[in-house]
Amino acid sequence: QVRLVESGGGLVKPGGSLRLSCAPSGFRFSDYYMSWIRQAPGKGLEWVSYLSNTGRTTSYADSVKGRFTISRDNAKNSLYLQMNSLRAEDTAVYYCARHFDASGSYSLFDNWGQGTLVTVSS
Amino acid sequence: DIVMTQSPDSLAVSLGERATINCKSSQSVLYNSNNKNYLAWYQQKPGQPPKVLIYWASTRESGVPDRFSGSGSGTDFTLTISSLQAEDMAVYYCQQYYDTPYTFGQGTKLEIK
Repeated sequence: QVRLVESGGGLVKPGGSLRLSCAPSGFRFSDYYMSWIRQAPGKGLEWVSYLSNTGRTTSYADSVKGRFTISRDNAKNSLYLQMNSLRAEDTAVYYCARHFDASGSYSLFDNWGQGTLVTVSS
Repeated sequence: DIVMTQSPDSLAVSLGERATINCKSSQSVLYNSNNKNYLAWYQQKPGQPPKVLIYWASTRESGVPDRFSGSGSGTDFTLTISSLQAEDMAVYYCQQYYDTPYTFGQGTKLEIK
């Protein structure tokens, strides 16, 4: 059974940093592209970033480009999101999500974690 | 960026009745080389992450009840729930995976009348 568990969220001041983690289980993590997707309180879904299975290919939403960095450690079965220069508008629940297929060609998200809440406030 | 626009924003339907949600993309999400529409539908219940219902615009994910169906091509898509059940109360999102940034519609809140 596929499971994704996020951690690392919390309260941070504007301009601060936070590192989110995602621990996958129930599938061969090293085969799959992964994404981070966020949802501001009471709002819709916003894709943030993806990372290829090898870690060589990344993509970011313009809203986070240059501030956030996605990474993975396949040996440790972990996905990360380093978030720097945080702003109030980054406040959201952050989900890690698995891409539908191992090739990464079809970027819909077939498994999601429960999310971790990031609050950016002074 | 491809903008996804859903209608309506909210919808109240009686149990057993049909519910229809529309999604329009600002450009075609039909990939000509494989004739597939890169469009998915998700259901999100309160306090839960989204769950994929439909992909390729009309392919039902494994385990999704057959009362859920998707249709459309190019820029115009529809999610239909043929006979609404109480457990279908949720927010529904469409998503294009044709190109980055992957974008979602704003969501349609489905309520029981």
